[in-house]
This record gives sequence, C-alpha cells and structure tokens, in this order.
Amino acid sequence: DTGVSQDPRHKITKRGQNVTFRCDPISEHNRLYWYRQTLGQGPEFLTYFQNEAQLEKSRLLSDRFSAERPKGSFSTLEIQRTEQGDSAMYLCASSLDGLETQYFGPGTRLLVL
Amino acid sequence: ILNVEQSPQSLHVQEGDSTNFTCSFPSSNFYALHWYRWETAKSPEALFVMTLNGDEKKKGRISATLNTKEGYSYLYIKGSQPEDSATYLCAFAPYGQNFVFGPGTRLSVLP
Repeated sequence: DTGVSQDPRHKITKRGQNVTFRCDPISEHNRLYWYRQTLGQGPEFLTYFQNEAQLEKSRLLSDRFSAERPKGSFSTLEIQRTEQGDSAMYLCASSLDGLETQYFGPGTRLLVL
Repeated sequence: ILNVEQSPQSLHVQEGDSTNFTCSFPSSNFYALHWYRWETAKSPEALFVMTLNGDEKKKGRISATLNTKEGYSYLYIKGSQPEDSATYLCAFAPYGQNFVFGPGTRLSVLP
C-alpha cells in the first residue's frame, strides 16, 4: 500500500456517458499527477497539480477531460461524452515536489462499451 | 518527444534463474531514472531512484545500474521467485520536465 487511493477501481460505462474518478494522495504531498495507461504501453502523463493549481496539461487531454484539486488535497478526473478510445487504466500519483519519487495509486480501469 | 525504451517486452524464466532488463533513455537533460514494479491489481511500487552516472542500487535480490552518458540502466534480479512476477517500468525524469515512462518489461517466473 503506497498510501495513494483511487476510487472506483473499475468502471464500465456506455459511450456518451460522463464518468468521474477520484484520487486521494499521500496527505503531505503537494504534487498530484494523472496518467493514462493502455495495453502494452507505459503510463502517459495527462496533467498535474501543485497544491490546488493545475500547472500542466498534456496534448493527450482533450477538452472532454477535466481535472480538479479544489482544496489541494483529493483530485477528480472527469471524462465527458466518453468514447471507446477512452478505455484505459487511469493512474494517479503524488509526490512531495516535482523532483521526488512519485507514489502511485492502484488505478481505475475504465471500459467504455 | 522523448523516447524511453525497454527490452525485452516480456520474459519467462524458471524459479531460481537470474535475469536482467534494459531501459534506454535520452542522455541529455538527465535528472533521474526511476524503476517501478507493478504487480497485477496493485499500485506500481517504487524500487529505485538513480541520479548519478555509475550509480548502483540494491534491494534484496534486485539491483540496478545507471549509465547516464550512454543513456541506459539495467535492472537485475538474482534467483527469481514467483513473487517477482510483475511488470517492471522505468521512468526517465529530465530536469524540469515530467516523467516519461517506458512500455515496461513483463516478467513471469515459473515455479
């Protein structure tokens, strides 16, 4: 157990529906990251927060994706109007700062039918 | 686009065998190289963070070396056990930029 939790662990949804995932990082960590991982690939960076500020978003993050970290603690990742191509494992990680080891949650596996 | 490669893609070994994998990364703007172990249905677990050329880290039967000048790192497992079965990921951390992960090496240790 790394101390980072994610909920839900699995989500099955129909194309066009909205989904929201939650990540609870290690409490003293300032940085929070979201990644997406598909079969045969390593995790790909989506976005990160320094406390409550979203500082960078990948070009992979289309405008259907939005992430928040309202009080600098937990974070949510919402995908609107899901598409089959959104099916993936969504991983959250946290770290003390940008140069430190990132600690990962177990991920949320999304399947879009 | 930064490219991080890992080989082999997958590996099957017998219990007791020793094995090693490779991670290749850009040799410029290097800050750190991280190794993670990811078991099915669990969180990726941080194994090592390596920052200096020539670094060698060890944790039990697992060790890693780093060559920043040529851009590679090796991960070694001595006397593999079934519980070592996992995907091993390396992540290149360039200075001031986000982690770039390799695709991983999937290890299966057969009893």
